[in-house]
Amino acid sequence: RKEVEQDPGPFNVPEGATVAFNCTYSNSASQSFFWYRQDCRKEPKLLMSVYSSGNEDGRFTAQLNRASQYISLLIRDSKLSDSATYLCVVTHLSNFGNEKLTFGTGTRLTIIP
Amino acid sequence: GAGVSQSPRYKVAKRGQDVALRCDPISGHVSLFWYQQALGQGPEFLTYFQNEAQLDKSGLPSDRFFAERPEGSVSTLKIQRTQQEDSAVYLCASSQPGHRNEAFFGQGTRLTVV
Repeated sequence: RKEVEQDPGPFNVPEGATVAFNCTYSNSASQSFFWYRQDCRKEPKLLMSVYSSGNEDGRFTAQLNRASQYISLLIRDSKLSDSATYLCVVTHLSNFGNEKLTFGTGTRLTIIP
Repeated sequence: GAGVSQSPRYKVAKRGQDVALRCDPISGHVSLFWYQQALGQGPEFLTYFQNEAQLDKSGLPSDRFFAERPEGSVSTLKIQRTQQEDSAVYLCASSQPGHRNEAFFGQGTRLTVV
């Protein structure tokens, strides 16, 4: 079982719709949680951190459920520019003392005009 | 520099050839990571440096892979005797502990072994 699991999609969603992704992680000692966005043939970039209390940034809402070990991302009023791959990222302290980022496979989203 | 810089952007190597991939992290960033991203997959961890110390190399797939960061700044990932399965994008990231752990990625080096 992979440490971080995501539905790879693709999700094809009409412009203006709301779309939600989930991600599950297996390491209960995980410390920090993020969503990264990766455009085609580009590098991953931080979209937002994820907290247990939930956090919102404009049209984007992220939520963490530690008990069930899953993370969600909700995108409201989707735009064409939201088309990308969304990577779920979980960190934990490695045996060597460094904080290690583990990525999910990514969920591919395409917004359709 | 303004961001993480990697070179070359693209590399085609013949099977068996050695390659060296360079990463210039953001100036002053203590932490440096190398990741390997195969097509359609998420980045997979290779190795981690804190300054010049390679603290974690648990993700290096074989002893053909070697990374260094001798002065705690620029890092080089070397792959000896390349194989076709080494074809991937190699991403470098740097971060500064305490800054919400945000990792900044370079654009990557796309390695194709033929």
